[in-house]
Amino acid sequence: DTAVSQTPKYLVTQMGNDKSIKCEQNLGHDTMYWYKQDSKKFLKIMFSYNNKELIINETVPNRFSPKSPDKAHLNLHINSLELGDSAVYFCASSQNLAGGFNEQFFGPGTRLTVL
Amino acid sequence: KQEVTQIPAALSVPEGENLVLNCSFTDSAIYNLQWFRQDPGKGLTSLLLIQSSQREQTSGRLNASLDKSSGRSTLYIAASQPGDSATYLCAVAGANSKLTFGKGITLSVRP
Repeated sequence: DTAVSQTPKYLVTQMGNDKSIKCEQNLGHDTMYWYKQDSKKFLKIMFSYNNKELIINETVPNRFSPKSPDKAHLNLHINSLELGDSAVYFCASSQNLAGGFNEQFFGPGTRLTVL
Repeated sequence: KQEVTQIPAALSVPEGENLVLNCSFTDSAIYNLQWFRQDPGKGLTSLLLIQSSQREQTSGRLNASLDKSSGRSTLYIAASQPGDSATYLCAVAGANSKLTFGKGITLSVRP
C-alpha cells in the first residue's frame, strides 16, 4: 500500500492554464506538506497544513492555493501557470509528535512541465 | 534564516569502501535532522531521523550522527554497494516542522 500518493505523476500543460495536483496519505498523520524541487534539484517547502489548518505558507505566489478537505488530503491548485512553475512537486506527511520525532514521509512527486 | 550545506556535491567511491557524507547547518535551534535518499526521477525515502536530544541513530549499514552545538551531522555508510548510488539529502526541522534541505550529495559507488 502506498503511504503518500500523488496524482498525476506527470503533468504537461500550456502557460496560462489552471491545474491541480492531488495528494493523499493513508498513514493517519495530522500534518501534510507541499515542497517544490526546481531544475537544480533544490527542495523548498511551500505549505504545510495541520488538521486542515494552514501552518506554513512560504513566500509563494498567490496563484498557488492549497486545499485540505480533510486530514488525509492536501491538494495544490495552481492558477495562470507560468514557465517558471515547471518543477517537481512533492507532497509529504508527518505525525505531529512531541520531542521532535515527526519524521516526514514523501510522495513520489508530480513532474509539472509548463510549455 | 536556516541554511543547510552539503559538500561535496558529488562523490564517487569503489564498492566496499566505508564513507562519510557531511551536512552542516547555521541555526542550532532545530527539532530534528533527517537524512533522505533520492533515486533519479523518484521521490524521497527517509533513511534516518535524529531528534535534537540524540547524538546518533543507526539503521543497518547506515549511522547518522548529530552535533547540534557545532551545527554538523554525518551519515556514515559502511561497506558501500552499487545499490547505494543515489542522491543523499540532509534536512533540518525548525519550528512547525518546517524542513530546510541541503542541495544533496550525489553518490556513485563503482563496482
